[in-house]
Amino acid sequence: SQKIEQNSEALNIQEGKTATLTCNYTNYSPAYLQWYRQDPGRGPVFLLLIRENEKEKRKERLKVTFDTTLKQSLFHITASQPADSATYLCALEAGYALNFGKGTSLLVTP
Amino acid sequence: DAEITQSPRHKITETGRQVTLACHQTWNHNNMFWYRQDLGHGLRLIHYSYGVQDTNKGEVSDGYSVSRSNTEDLPLTLESAASSQTSVYFCASSESTPAGDTQYFGPGTRLTVL
Repeated sequence: SQKIEQNSEALNIQEGKTATLTCNYTNYSPAYLQWYRQDPGRGPVFLLLIRENEKEKRKERLKVTFDTTLKQSLFHITASQPADSATYLCALEAGYALNFGKGTSLLVTP
Repeated sequence: DAEITQSPRHKITETGRQVTLACHQTWNHNNMFWYRQDLGHGLRLIHYSYGVQDTNKGEVSDGYSVSRSNTEDLPLTLESAASSQTSVYFCASSESTPAGDTQYFGPGTRLTVL
């Protein structure tokens, strides 16, 4: 069955550094992959989508890579800020639906 | 501005009672989804709909039902609430495009079954 793995442990980094979050998947070949941000008590919010034929996608301080051979996506936040502290979810295409990973909690300290 | 709303935001009920959670979107999206989110499990798909009169079971559909009578609404019903259904429930909607389907989530409903 399809399996999506994200770092289960929280990631703590210092303000200004680059945060890198990992999403690995098995038994699946999604046409695209998405990253969402979720703040406590709120619903997830879409950040970026990357298709299987794209190696990299950028949006402001965010960068996503997608390696279909390794079955892995990396999500980078450069020049991180305390306001970036949240849980980040990766989601893989499953027809019109999405399969979500459990998320990685990011804490950026001043 | 288009939005997706859920009501109630918090609900406490007793085991065995029927509960209905409302979801309303003004995006005019064809696709709507219900998820539950629990610690250690992440978001799990309960039911989804690709249009009016269409409903499909997701990964954890037992004990839940949905109906889609119009584009805007997808109510989720717990026929006989159980303590295992205590969770945070999220509704989402999306429109299918060639580039991919981005989902827009509601604020969630926290349900406690005593």
